[in-house]
Amino acid sequence: SQQGEEDPQALSIQEGENATMNCSYKTSINNLQWYRQNSGRGLVHLILIRSNEREKHSGRLRVTLDTSKKSSSLLITASRAADTASYFCATDKHSGGSNYKLTFGKGTLLTVNP
Amino acid sequence: DGGITQSPKYLFRKEGQNVTLSCEQNLNHDAMYWYRQDPGQGLRLIYYSQIVNDFQKGDIAEGYSVSREKKESFPLTVTSAQKNPTAFYLCASSIGQGVETQYFGPGTRLLVL
Repeated sequence: SQQGEEDPQALSIQEGENATMNCSYKTSINNLQWYRQNSGRGLVHLILIRSNEREKHSGRLRVTLDTSKKSSSLLITASRAADTASYFCATDKHSGGSNYKLTFGKGTLLTVNP
Repeated sequence: DGGITQSPKYLFRKEGQNVTLSCEQNLNHDAMYWYRQDPGQGLRLIYYSQIVNDFQKGDIAEGYSVSREKKESFPLTVTSAQKNPTAFYLCASSIGQGVETQYFGPGTRLLVL
């Protein structure tokens, strides 16, 4: 089963509005990352937040993490048409092993209308 | 110009045929990964390699095989045992163990004739 699940599955807004996407996960994590994917392309890393951090900013992006609720949110402020893409959260599993891998959610498809 | 390249962009497979997808990186990263993405779905891990000459099965390894003979290369073979290979395949790399940002290639779309 997926470790991370994004909500909503799809979001349509007007240019200039803010967009908020949520991610819930099931087990303890070390870190949570957000990635962006334009249609038919590879993923691009946006931001990483560690399990001991509560909020992080990068340009127009703000990410929060609530480990007690096992959830994270990605806020994009003053959205632009170019922000139209799918957004994925990815979590690593908190294990003592040496192998490191991420588990991705199904993504939120954001459409920003000009 | 550093990054990850995947080839070909589109690949067609006939019934019973094995096909190999190429993934090359010049980022000097130790770890490499292969994911499969189906329409409207997230990424599922096929295989990953933390170091040269070593690789591990991911969540959906059946019907796939990999090799890691060189640090910069991690080819994926889709064998005839994979009955539903039509998907978008993404290769990624990361520096190594620990807190890891993954860098992705542009992807290969595999279609069955």
